[in-house]
Amino acid sequence: DAGVTQSPTHLIKTRGQHVTLRCSPISGHKSVSWYQQVLGQGPQFIFQYYEKEERGRGNFPDRFSARQFPNYSSELNVNALLLGDSALYLCASSLDNRYTFGSGTRLTVV
Amino acid sequence: EDQVTQSPEALRLQEGESSSLNCSYTVSGLRGLFWYRQDPGKGPEFLFTLYSAGEEKEKERLKATLTKKESFLHITAPKPEDSATYLCAVQERTGSGYSTLTFGKGTMLLVSP
Repeated sequence: DAGVTQSPTHLIKTRGQHVTLRCSPISGHKSVSWYQQVLGQGPQFIFQYYEKEERGRGNFPDRFSARQFPNYSSELNVNALLLGDSALYLCASSLDNRYTFGSGTRLTVV
Repeated sequence: EDQVTQSPEALRLQEGESSSLNCSYTVSGLRGLFWYRQDPGKGPEFLFTLYSAGEEKEKERLKATLTKKESFLHITAPKPEDSATYLCAVQERTGSGYSTLTFGKGTMLLVSP
């Protein structure tokens, strides 16, 4: 079975631009969560979606938004990028309280 | 105040030298405590979930234990391939019907041959 798939794997953007990150969950998983991991820190919760509805939002500014599609895949959008948005963005799909993470998208803002 | 504190921040062991990693937490109602392994540039890889004090789980050279305030990840006779960052995360009981994972900063383990 395929695991959680994230794209792209790496991305370089300029300050002020926007970015869209994509995630395909494990087949059968209806819940997707997004996390931001800054170098040297643990992952920090951004959003959780279940059955296309937002279930939770972490302490991130409104520049961050997300959505989940009918096939349970998800997008994370970040507008007006700042240097501090440089991080590894992780997607996790979950079933029965088991969270499986993708390999992440490494975003560098210059 | 951090809800999840991991110690030490970094640990260097010789191959075969057993040790323990600590994860202390301060949540009002614990739903679950998770251990993950993370290799550089990769996503976290699931190891264990513990749900109640006194619970223990084992996988190869790793054993995780849980008390009401902390969890330990014991590594017995480690090998160089055990080198990674080990992350602890807690899941808090909420009344809203959803819960998320709150992670510690991790312990970076280096096992030398």
